[in-house]
Amino acid sequence: GAVVSQHPSWVICKSGTSVKIECRSLDFQATTMFWYRQFPKQSLMLMATSNEGSKATYEQGVEKDKFLINHASLTLSTLTVTSAHPEDSSFYICSAREGMGGYQPQHFGDGTRLSIL
Amino acid sequence: GESVGLHLPTLSVQEGDNSIINCAYSNSASDYFIWYKQESGKGPQFIIDIRSNMDKRQGQRVTVLLNKTVKHLSLQIAATQPGDSAVYFCAENSAGGYQKVTFGTGTKLQVIP
Repeated sequence: GAVVSQHPSWVICKSGTSVKIECRSLDFQATTMFWYRQFPKQSLMLMATSNEGSKATYEQGVEKDKFLINHASLTLSTLTVTSAHPEDSSFYICSAREGMGGYQPQHFGDGTRLSIL
Repeated sequence: GESVGLHLPTLSVQEGDNSIINCAYSNSASDYFIWYKQESGKGPQFIIDIRSNMDKRQGQRVTVLLNKTVKHLSLQIAATQPGDSAVYFCAENSAGGYQKVTFGTGTKLQVIP
C-alpha cells in the first residue's frame, strides 16, 4: 500500500521550456503533498507544501512564480517548472501523506530527473 | 532553526554484521522521527518511525532507538545484506502547521560481500 507514482521519470528539454511533473497517490487520498529537490550526493530540500484545494506554501528562497504547484484533487499534484534554465536541472521528488495528523510518514515517488540543455 | 544531522557520511559494513547509523537533531520540540532508505536514482523509502513518547521501536531486522535527553536517534540493521546498501536519512517531523519533514544529510551504507 501507500504507493506514490511520479511522471515522467526523466526529461530532457531546451532552455526556456516549461516542464510539468505529475505526482499521484495510487491507493490513498493525499491530503498533503510535498515537493523536494535533490542535488547529487545531497539531502532532500523541501520546496513547497500543498494541501488539496489550497495554495501551496513555499519554502524560503523558492520562487513561486518559477515553480508552479497545483493540487487540484486528493490524488494528484503537479509541479511546473516555468521557463526552465540549466540551473534548474536537478532531481525532483514528490511525496504524499494521508490525513492531517502529524504522526504519519510521507510516502515518496521515485523522482523526476530534469536536465535542461 | 530546526536541523537534523548525521554523524557519519559513509559506513562500510561486512555482510552479516549489524549496522548502526546515527542521527542528531537540534529541535527539542520534535516529536516524530522517521528513517528513510534511498537507493540510487529512486525516491526515499519509508523504513520505520518513532514517536517521542517511545525510546525504542522494532521492525523486521531494524530497530530505532531514541534518546531525547541528548537529542539522538539511531537505526540498527541486523544481519546486514547487500540489498541494504543505500543512503539512509533520518527525518524529523515538526509538530503543528503543515507537519513538514526535515531531512538530515544522509549516511551512505556500503555492504561488503
